[in-house]
Order: sequence, then structure tokens, then C-alpha cells
Amino acid sequence: GAGVSQSPSNKVTEKGKDVELRCDPISGHTALYWYRQSLGQGLEFLIYFQGNSAPDKSGLPSDRFSAERTGGSVSTLTIQRTQQEDSAVYLCASSLARGEYEQYFGPGTRLTVT
Amino acid sequence: AQKVTQAQTEISVVEKEDVTLDCVYETRDTTYYLFWYKQPPSGELVFLIRRNSFDEQNEISGRYSWNFQKSTSSFNFTITASQVVDSAVYFCALSIMEYGNKLVFGAGTILRVKS
Repeated sequence: GAGVSQSPSNKVTEKGKDVELRCDPISGHTALYWYRQSLGQGLEFLIYFQGNSAPDKSGLPSDRFSAERTGGSVSTLTIQRTQQEDSAVYLCASSLARGEYEQYFGPGTRLTVT
Repeated sequence: AQKVTQAQTEISVVEKEDVTLDCVYETRDTTYYLFWYKQPPSGELVFLIRRNSFDEQNEISGRYSWNFQKSTSSFNFTITASQVVDSAVYFCALSIMEYGNKLVFGAGTILRVKS
């Protein structure tokens, strides 16, 4: 079966522009997570969805970051007015449910803000 | 607060050597889950194992084995007879159900296996 997919795989944008990153989870997975991986900060949690609701947004670094999930499936992470410190690999993961289930990761979107 | 420490930043071994990657975790919760993920040069995180806090049995899968000891809050990973294909960054992670099972990752250990 298909794994988690993310698009685009690479995104280069100018400082100040908005970007949208997309995640398609594994079919049937109700839990969806966004993480960010950068050299200085390692792997950091951003936001978690159970179905279409986001019970935990505690990892979003600023109000420039937002995310939504529709139909219990696809999720979009939006970064407004991008800054150079937003440059990182954005990873999406999904799992069967909240609980003792492992998370499966997508290939990530490498975001470069120039 | 939850924390995962992987003290070994980088390990280099020669093929066929055994290697152990250390992981120490901190949590006040009694129910938690521990994970190991592999990130090869291609970049995609690959799930290796999940262990819940009530199951201290060690596990072996082929050349891989895991040693979970609650007394020392450790969840170490051993690769027996390492191969060049094992070269990757390995991450240990912790999750708590109460916090939505978001993963708290260690900093990762870079493993280089030379032929």
C-alpha cells in the first residue's frame, strides 16, 4: 500500500512569501503529525491532528504557522511571511490512531527561504 | 517534561563489528512508549521498533536487538555484525498517550560502517 506522501519535495521561496506544504497520510490513519527537522534544533514536533481537529498545536513556533486537515485525510501546513529561520525539512507522519501505534513518516519537504 | 538523550553523536565501526547505540529517557508518566527510527542518507525516517513501558522484554529481530531497562531509564539498540547498509542516523524517541503520542526525539546518533 501507499505510504505517507508529501508535496512538494523541495520548495525555495523568498523571504516574506507564504508557502503551503501538503501531506497525504496512509489511508485509514486517523492521527497525523507535523514535525520539523533542522540542523540546530533536531526533530521538533509542530502539531497533531486526530481526525480533523488539532488537540495539540503547542509546537507551532509562531502565529505565522498554521495547519488544517480536511476529510480526516489530507493536511496542509501554511507558513506566512516566511523567514530564513523557517528553512528546514518539514516531515509529516501518520498513525492508525492516537495510542500505542507507531508513526510512519513521509519523505519530507525541504524548505529553503532565501 | 519528557526528554530523550542520545549521548553518542557519532560512531564509526568496521563492517562485522557489533555496535550499541545508547538511549536514556526521562518522564514522570508510568505509561509511555519508546521507539527507534533509522534515517538513511535518502532522508526518510524508517520505523524500527516500538516498546511500551509495561513490556521490559528484550527483543531481537535479525541482526537488531533492543535492551529496555526501566531501572536505568534506558532503551539501547545493538546491531550485530554491522554492514555498510546500516550507515544512517538513528533516533530514539519517547511518546506519552496523554500528550497525543507526539514523539520527543533524541538528537540522533550518526553510525558510519566502513568496509
